[in-house]
Parts: sequence; C-alpha cells; structure tokens
Amino acid sequence: DADVTQTPRNRITKTGKRIMLECSQTKGHDRMYWYRQDPGLGLRLIYYSFDVKDINKGEISDGYSVSRQAQAKFSLSLESAIPNQTALYFCATSDPASGNNNEQFFGPGTRLTVL
Amino acid sequence: GENVEQHPSTLSVQEGDSAVIKCTYSDSASNYFPWYKQELGKRPQLIIDIRSNVGEKKDQRIAVTLNKTAKHFSLHITETQPEDSAVYFCAASKANAGNMLTFGGGTRLMVKP
Repeated sequence: DADVTQTPRNRITKTGKRIMLECSQTKGHDRMYWYRQDPGLGLRLIYYSFDVKDINKGEISDGYSVSRQAQAKFSLSLESAIPNQTALYFCATSDPASGNNNEQFFGPGTRLTVL
Repeated sequence: GENVEQHPSTLSVQEGDSAVIKCTYSDSASNYFPWYKQELGKRPQLIIDIRSNVGEKKDQRIAVTLNKTAKHFSLHITETQPEDSAVYFCAASKANAGNMLTFGGGTRLMVKP
C-alpha cells in the first residue's frame, strides 16, 4: 500500500547537536508538510512544500530548515537542537488532484527528545 | 491568520452516551473543516469533513455540523464505544491559502466501558 514513512521513529539528542528527520512517501503526492505536536497545542505547521522547487515557512519555522530532495522525500533539520524542540514530529502529504484534495495523510511520527 | 480553538480539551463519557466536541474559527473565508482522529501512539487520520456549502454531514455514528454565521463547527459521536477513545483534532482551511490546515488544540475523548 502507498504510504508515508518517517525515520528515525525515536531520537534522543543533546542540546546544540544537528538533527535530521526524514520523510518518504510512495503516494505520488506533490504536497508535503512538517508538523510538530505538543500536548494541548495540536499540530503546528513548521514548513511545507507544494513541489520539488517550492519551500514555504509555516507557523513555527524558527530553528528549523527543510530540504525537498525529490517528489518523494522531504527532510526536516534542526541545526542546533534546544530542549524546547522536544516534541512529536509528523510528516504529511496531500494531492490537490485527488477527489478530496484537502485530505492530508500523515506519517507515523518521530519522537524527538533534546536533553 | 486563521485561529482555531477547540473545546473541551478532555471529555469523559460512559459507553453508549453521546460526545460533542466544538471548534470555533476566526477567518470567515475558511471553507473546509476536517476532523482527524489520533489513537494512542498512532498517526492522525481523517474521519469526516465538511465544506462551507453544507450545514451537516453524517457518516454512521459520527456527524459534523457547521454554523458559518457563528463561525463554529462541531463533531458529534453517538452510541460511543471504547474504540472511540482517542484524541480528536478539528481544522480549518481556505482555498486561496493553498488549502493549508490550521488545527485546533485537540480533545482527548475517553469512553468508559
């Protein structure tokens, strides 16, 4: 089945380290997103990309960067991790050409802990 | 930008009772309102959605209602079952913002057997 996958699933790191979270999808979708989830704050958009040459900041992009290496791959980097970036990170995809062009399909999440 | 508020943050009901979760949004141009369900340790998944040209939509035991004038929408779950226990997120988006979703803070629903 076509899916969205994320690696790693869990990561513990130290303050100041550079971290990369990776997302891959076999859905053939053009649009990809990175969210972080914190208790009580729902899902907040970090960055999004509508195609390989398109990168846009979301609501909370400070401290993060992204790379869209191919249609199927969208990576999120924390250049110098800090403790308040401890969260659950989700990648998602959507397809504007589909019947429900607003539906987003989420990956399994990456739990990141910054000590 | 859009702001979506969701209430309550936690909700506990007895199995068989109904559950209602409410969301308000700020941008009157928003025209698409989905609800996502996130079971413990799992990814969020779309369960139902409604567009602004419709006032109510039902799918078996779940329904969503929309009041555009008041800018609020609600999720209704009838005859709740233990497997309905999860975190539910509402969201809003509009076509001229690339259909970007703004999520509410989530509601943890607990259904007691």
